[in-house]
Amino acid sequence: DAGVIQSPRHEVTEMGQEVTLRCKLISGHNSLFWYRQTMMRGLELLIYFNNNVPIDDSGMPEDRFSAKMPNASFSTLKIQPSEPRDSAVYFCASREQGLNTEAFFGQGTRLTVV
Amino acid sequence: AQSVTQLDSQVPVFEEAPVELRCNYSSSVSVYLFWYVQYPNQGLQLLLKYLSGSTLVKSINGFEAEFNKSQTSFHLRKPSVHISDTAEYFCAVSDLGANNLFFGTGTRLTVIP
Repeated sequence: DAGVIQSPRHEVTEMGQEVTLRCKLISGHNSLFWYRQTMMRGLELLIYFNNNVPIDDSGMPEDRFSAKMPNASFSTLKIQPSEPRDSAVYFCASREQGLNTEAFFGQGTRLTVV
Repeated sequence: AQSVTQLDSQVPVFEEAPVELRCNYSSSVSVYLFWYVQYPNQGLQLLLKYLSGSTLVKSINGFEAEFNKSQTSFHLRKPSVHISDTAEYFCAVSDLGANNLFFGTGTRLTVIP
């Protein structure tokens, strides 16, 4: 398995534009996490899913952010409209549901909103 | 609500010296604990984990961490660091019975030649 795959690796966009970040889970994993990493706030859990169902989205900063899992192996994180303060590295991670399993991270998407 | 506190944002240490990276957590329920490492421009990788049993857990590259329930701590230690250990280290916690995974703000370890 190629691991968790995120795309794009880098995204530069203008303020007000819609941004969609993509994540492909490892085959067989059924839990998916989205994180945002910044210097100021560290690694923040935005939302996580179990079996395609969002369990906790309390970390999503505001209504401009939305996340979906249209199927068991794929997820998107959308920001509409984007703002400069959304600039960060966004990571997704997947694991088999269960507390004794390792979460595997993608390489991240570096988002810059100008 | 639970939280993970890593008090030291940066830790410089000379090569071959010992190091301790501190982690404290707050939770009203039992937890599982993890340390992850992030090398530059990469995602996080699991370093070690505590689930149950022995409170001292070890990684393959010489790190170890001890779960202390009374002090709600899970400090990471290594007796002798190498240049290659330079990275950012994150402590994380999962609540027993919930499939969440919360991280601390990270500690940047810099090993000085």
